Amino acid sequence: AQSVTQLDSQVPVFEEAPVELRCNYSSSVSVYLFWYVQYPNQGLQLLLKYLSGSTLVKGINGFEAEFNKSQTSFHLRKPSVHISDTAEYFCAVSEAAAGNKLTFGGGTRVLVKP
Amino acid sequence: NAGVMQNPRHLVRRRGQEARLRCSPMKGHSHVYWYRQLPEEGLKFMVYLQKENIIDESGMPKERFSAEFPKEGPSILRIQQVVRGDSAAYFCASSPPEGAWETQYFGPGTRLLVL
Repeated sequence: AQSVTQLDSQVPVFEEAPVELRCNYSSSVSVYLFWYVQYPNQGLQLLLKYLSGSTLVKGINGFEAEFNKSQTSFHLRKPSVHISDTAEYFCAVSEAAAGNKLTFGGGTRVLVKP
Repeated sequence: NAGVMQNPRHLVRRRGQEARLRCSPMKGHSHVYWYRQLPEEGLKFMVYLQKENIIDESGMPKERFSAEFPKEGPSILRIQQVVRGDSAAYFCASSPPEGAWETQYFGPGTRLLVL
């Protein structure tokens, strides 16, 4: 079984400042890793994913994440946030095999202040 | 290419009634997943279906909940005799049978309120 921990439930940040959202996971098997964003009253949109290869993954909207196997982490970063980045962000893992469920973290709410 | 469609977007039921939630996957996708998001929590897996088959229902409550994905038509999540604790957002996701099968694409969700 896998588990995902997002260490920060809320992250306030000023516009144009950098932000890092932390995600740690535990699993006994190889995993795929994902970050999703959820805007108020909407579904989840995929930001980026790590399947294999380069540990630095670039996604949409200027976000990137780095897979660290030794620390079992997959932290999300953005060098300069916009007001429109205000949303909830979810880290998720699945077993590295076909058709497997996602296990989500509890989410991190990002509030970008002007 | 339309995304994952869910309806209704909002559903209000009284205790004891039935709730039916529908999900139409993206075109060409044959894998459907249902997740539940309780207030102030992350999403929790409920069930994974392929056409006419339930593959993994390890997250489904043992009673009152059922899901299907018929050969024709949308996937249905059915909750019988709803209780207040069923109030949540229910999200459907789909993925293709090959290619980027590891990535799930989410619908906008159905927000169920049980009075």
